Amino acid sequence: QQQVKQSPQSLIVQKGGISIINCAYENTAFDYFPWYQQFPGKGPALLIAIRPDVSEKKEGRFTISFNKSAKQFSLHIMDSQPGDSATYFCAASIDGGTSYGKLTFGQGTILTVHP
Amino acid sequence: DGGITQSPKYLFRKEGQNVTLSCEQNLNHDAMYWYRQDPGQGLRLIYYSQIVNDFQKGDIAEGYSVSREKKESFPLTVTSAQKNPTAFYLCASSIVLAGRNNEQFFGPGTRLTVL
Repeated sequence: QQQVKQSPQSLIVQKGGISIINCAYENTAFDYFPWYQQFPGKGPALLIAIRPDVSEKKEGRFTISFNKSAKQFSLHIMDSQPGDSATYFCAASIDGGTSYGKLTFGQGTILTVHP
Repeated sequence: DGGITQSPKYLFRKEGQNVTLSCEQNLNHDAMYWYRQDPGQGLRLIYYSQIVNDFQKGDIAEGYSVSREKKESFPLTVTSAQKNPTAFYLCASSIVLAGRNNEQFFGPGTRLTVL
């Protein structure tokens, strides 16, 4: 059963624009939400992560917005650059117990930033 | 120069053959993971290990086997029982700290093709 749904599947943005990728989850026990960036032929790399005790986290041009009641979280890329063109994955997992470390990934979003 | 190495980068296998993918890390991480990546499906967890000589099945363990005899090594065997093994395989590792999720560092991946 797919527990993390990501949209859109692909996204095209002009240079300088805002890229927004959304994820929705079902399991209310999730309490760790990372975003990964993957370039073609490479492994994913952690971009930014949030825990549900805050509603927003910003690191440079990247911001996570988190809505616990709606069970949704999103990635905003401000001032998008051609170098941001990559596949982005959201993920979720449960801290503690025997489940920590088990990331459930969304399907991925292919972002293309045109110069 | 710390990191995760996976070998080989490309692997071709005939139907009915077992094949072993290598994953080595020199980050001194306790936890290691294997994921499978297929187009449009994100990453799916195959097996994970939080300590030497112990490992757990992920969401899609059928047709795969692993071992964890050394902290730095976590090889994955794709057996002939795996019905559709052609995919991009990613290994990851992380620290284990007080049962909380921590950043997973990914290797560069192995692309397996069954002929």
